[in-house]
Amino acid sequence: GAGVSQSPSNKVTEKGKDVELRCDPISGHTALYWYRQSLGQGLEFLIYFQGNSAPDKSGLPSDRFSAERTGGSVSTLTIQRTQQEDSAVYLCASTHPGRLAMNEQFFGPGTRLTVL
Amino acid sequence: AQSVTQLDSQVPVFEEAPVELRCNYSSSVSVYLFWYVQYPNQGLQLLLKYLSGSTLVESINGFEAEFNKSQTSFHLRKPSVHISDTAEYFCAVSEAQGAQKLVFGQGTRLTINP
Repeated sequence: GAGVSQSPSNKVTEKGKDVELRCDPISGHTALYWYRQSLGQGLEFLIYFQGNSAPDKSGLPSDRFSAERTGGSVSTLTIQRTQQEDSAVYLCASTHPGRLAMNEQFFGPGTRLTVL
Repeated sequence: AQSVTQLDSQVPVFEEAPVELRCNYSSSVSVYLFWYVQYPNQGLQLLLKYLSGSTLVESINGFEAEFNKSQTSFHLRKPSVHISDTAEYFCAVSEAQGAQKLVFGQGTRLTINP
């Protein structure tokens, strides 16, 4: 079946603009995670959704970052007033309910964000 | 809180040679351990995982990792590497209780030379 998909694959924006990144998890996967991968910081957790609620937002780096999930499916990560340090690859992952206990996460290809 | 240390940022080896990618973790609670692989221009793929039971786990492409609780390690090994194994390898840990965030190491870039 189809894997986790993310759009856009690449996004170039100017400092100060807002961006929205989209994640479509694998159908039926109830848990959804956002991470980011940057040269200086490696792979960092941002936020976790179980259904439409976010029990763990501990990784969001500032209040410029927010995320929502609707219908227990698609999620959008929004970055307001982007800064150059926001440049990174933003990764989304999802987990099947039957695999939640094993925490096996399936990753999408990522969105490469470049802030000029 | 958990943390992961991958001791080598880059590992160059010759084709058909053995390789070991080192991973150490710290945690005050029981953990699950994972190795993910990222091939050039591709996304992260799960390579293998330790949840419980046998401390030696294997992947379908010849990699294996051994969970060593006393040394808090989960090193990845392959007895004979191929050019196609060139990739970045990430060790990750999570709490051993259902859906939890993954905490990743900094990654090890494995380069296979002919």
